[in-house]
Amino acid sequence: DAEITQSPRHKITETGRQVTLACHQTWNHNNMFWYRQDLGHGLRLIHYSYGVHDTNKGEVSDGYSVSRSNTEDLPLTLESAASSQTSVYFCASSDTGGGGTEAFFGQGTRLTVV
Amino acid sequence: GQQLNQSPQSMFIQEGEDVSMNCTSSSIFNTWLWYKQEPGEGPVLLIALYKAGELTSNGRLTAQFGITRKDSFLNISASIPSDVGIYFCAGQPYFGNEKLTFGTGTRLTIIP
Repeated sequence: DAEITQSPRHKITETGRQVTLACHQTWNHNNMFWYRQDLGHGLRLIHYSYGVHDTNKGEVSDGYSVSRSNTEDLPLTLESAASSQTSVYFCASSDTGGGGTEAFFGQGTRLTVV
Repeated sequence: GQQLNQSPQSMFIQEGEDVSMNCTSSSIFNTWLWYKQEPGEGPVLLIALYKAGELTSNGRLTAQFGITRKDSFLNISASIPSDVGIYFCAGQPYFGNEKLTFGTGTRLTIIP
């Protein structure tokens, strides 16, 4: 069955370190997204991609970067981790359909920056 | 960034009761989606709505795409313990813009 997987599920890192969170989907979807989820804020979009070599900033992109070298993967990099980036991160993918878009989510990565 | 207004923020109900929640926006959406999230998991898609006025069911869940295209409603009938979780609405502003805007969620708790 097609799926979307994130790794690691849990990560503890130190302030200032570079961290990369992986997202891999086997749906062959064009669109991939990274969200962070914090209490009181719901899901906020960090970066997104509509296809290979395409990347775009979301509403909370500062301190994060992504690259899309193939259809299946959209890794999220924290250039220099900060305590404010402690959060739960979700990756999602969707296809571009004629009637709309349905995004499917991974299980999340809980990141703690100490 | 824009967020959808979702209400209520939380609900405490007894098993067997019906549940209603809604989502409103100041702007028009072309697609409305409803997700459920359980602890430690990612959101799971429940229902997708594509036309104004559309009413769609998925088992005990029924969702409606508001006629003004600025709101959506989710009803759960005869709640059971496994309905516990956080329910999110999400909207797609227009076709071609694949980004979703999410509501802040409704946390459903079932009292034994």
